Amino acid sequence: GAGVSQSPSNKVTEKGKDVELRCDPISGHTALYWYRQSLGQGLEFLIYFQGNSAPDKSGLPSDRFSAERTGGSVSTLTIQRTQQEDSAVYLCASSLSHPIRRSLHFGNGTRLTVT
Amino acid sequence: GDSVTQMEGPVTLSEEAFLTINCTYTATGYPSLFWYVQYPGEGLQLLLKATKADDKGSNKGFEATYRKETTSFHLEKGSVQVSDSAVYFCALSDSGGGADGLTFGKGTHLIIQP
Repeated sequence: GAGVSQSPSNKVTEKGKDVELRCDPISGHTALYWYRQSLGQGLEFLIYFQGNSAPDKSGLPSDRFSAERTGGSVSTLTIQRTQQEDSAVYLCASSLSHPIRRSLHFGNGTRLTVT
Repeated sequence: GDSVTQMEGPVTLSEEAFLTINCTYTATGYPSLFWYVQYPGEGLQLLLKATKADDKGSNKGFEATYRKETTSFHLEKGSVQVSDSAVYFCALSDSGGGADGLTFGKGTHLIIQP
């Protein structure tokens, strides 16, 4: 596959459960981003990975959110003890390096619904 | 900090109408500017971009010109089609760096009626 792949495409979970969202970036892309898209709120930056550097976690909304990137490729976003306000579409994007003057390539997202 | 402001939607037009979606920005450095489009059920796709003042980005009949004097990057199309119905996001990437990649506007939902 040539694009960014995210799984699952849809996830319904009960309040209080943990969820894991997966992102497979484009091969060779060193930069990987997670965004959250809520209705009427646009895109909210969550976390950024660049190569082997320590990730920038400045956008994570609480300590219930964490992410890792293994081997510089696949990334997993974990939300612990989910709350209803976590319901949103979670988008992953990758790029060759810093996206200045370049574009981000987005996956189709994971729609998370917390009941 | 950096920010992007775009007109709120939904914007509803008839097929073949002229489209303008306004976008203005604030940035500390010399940003590159982007328009992304999100079709229903899909992720965002780059529509066009401009990397310096007075550059014009164009793609699929859409155009936007980087206006530094008015800090704007308005999206235009001369004759819209039903297939253009989507959410459009204006974004900037500041050359001053920063790990948060792109700063996005809130998106404008465009609805084209036949």
